[in-house]
Amino acid sequence: QKEVEQDPGPLSVPEGAIVSLNCTYSNSAFQYFMWYRQYSRKGPELLMYTYSSGNKEDGRFTAQVDKSSKYISLFIRDSQPSDSATYLCAMTPSNTNAGKSTFGDGTTLTVKP
Amino acid sequence: EAQVTQNPRYLITVTGKKLTVTCSQNMNHEYMSWYRQDPGLGLRQIYYSMNVEVTDKGDVPEGYKVSRKEKRNFPLILESPSPNQTSLYFCASSPGTGSSSYEQYFGPGTRLTVT
Repeated sequence: QKEVEQDPGPLSVPEGAIVSLNCTYSNSAFQYFMWYRQYSRKGPELLMYTYSSGNKEDGRFTAQVDKSSKYISLFIRDSQPSDSATYLCAMTPSNTNAGKSTFGDGTTLTVKP
Repeated sequence: EAQVTQNPRYLITVTGKKLTVTCSQNMNHEYMSWYRQDPGLGLRQIYYSMNVEVTDKGDVPEGYKVSRKEKRNFPLILESPSPNQTSLYFCASSPGTGSSSYEQYFGPGTRLTVT
């Protein structure tokens, strides 16, 4: 079983919809939780990160971590066609070793105008 | 501009012909990694380096070699490529320490096809 499982998708939603992207994990040592966005034919780029449990909001994006359930989510409000991309969750036990992050397989999102 | 560069971006080669994919970062980052990305298998780490002359295996190191002789460069070497190494390869770097040490910066990717 993988340490990080991500909802596989693909996901297709109309413009303006609320999108929920989710990952579960098994390693209770994970403390830093990241969401990367990867556009087609590009490398992943960090979108948001959260330390430990709680919520973090950045514009239309909200990252949520529930360590008791080992479950993280990324919510996108008022989704736009420009949000169409693959979203990867990533996690690491320590902020000094991002190079050992464990990634989910990614969820491909398409937002239709 | 802060960036990670990879070359070549696209490569078609034949089984057994040694090749090197270069990676360079201009952010003075300590950590560098190589990943391969395959449909249904996600992003899997091949090798990573914590500093010059310090490297370690990731999840799928078989068939690959790396070296870190300078801080900015981290080439990936395939001594005898095989078709199962056909994939999209990403190099990444991260600071290792500091306020944004959790973040990895990825290169644009190298699409390798081995026939």
